[in-house]
Amino acid sequence: EAQVTQNPRYLITVTGKKLTVTCSQNMNHEYMSWYRQDPGLGLRQIYYSMNVEVTDKGDVPEGYKVSRKEKRNFPLILESPSPNQTSLYFCASSILAGGLESEQYFGPGTRLTVT
Amino acid sequence: AQSVAQPEDQVNVAEGNPLTVKCTYSVSGNPYLFWYVQYPNRGLQFLLKYITGDNLVKGSYGFEAEFNKSQTSFHLKKPSALVSDSALYFCAVRNPNAGGTSYGKLTFGQGTILTVHP
Repeated sequence: EAQVTQNPRYLITVTGKKLTVTCSQNMNHEYMSWYRQDPGLGLRQIYYSMNVEVTDKGDVPEGYKVSRKEKRNFPLILESPSPNQTSLYFCASSILAGGLESEQYFGPGTRLTVT
Repeated sequence: AQSVAQPEDQVNVAEGNPLTVKCTYSVSGNPYLFWYVQYPNRGLQFLLKYITGDNLVKGSYGFEAEFNKSQTSFHLKKPSALVSDSALYFCAVRNPNAGGTSYGKLTFGQGTILTVHP
């Protein structure tokens, strides 16, 4: 089954404790992206990757890191989480052809709480 | 910079009535426009997109949207609403002509909660 998986689905952590949220897709998509969803703010793009070793900042990259060493994986790293990073996080992927005219496939989401 | 506005936080309609969820955008040049839906406790699903061509695009579940370049709008519509259409709807825009890898940026609106009453 074609899918985007994220782990963990739920995470409660404390301020300053480094964490990684994994994202993996099995569709051989070149493009992957991370978003956070907050009430009243919609979805905001954190980072995206056009292919292996190619990453770019989205609209809200502060406090986050990403890496793209393999095509299928795009982990999101919070080196020193803070309470304002409490949010619902989504990973997504799509094919790159046509200038990214294709729709994105979203993972199930990771609900992160930082206390 | 590109942006999307969904002017209504919430839209309420009666089942069987037509529905419209509004979206306006700002981007230089011709945009790629998308609608996504998020059902309660579920992930986001693609509904439809405008890339080029006919201004009226049809998508999943009987939804359609009309691209209006002069008004920079991309409103989502359905002729007859169902209770099962109740969900959170997001409009999104991409600038395919942005330089370098900047066309990878996808900007979403803040979302509109659609509630269809029986």
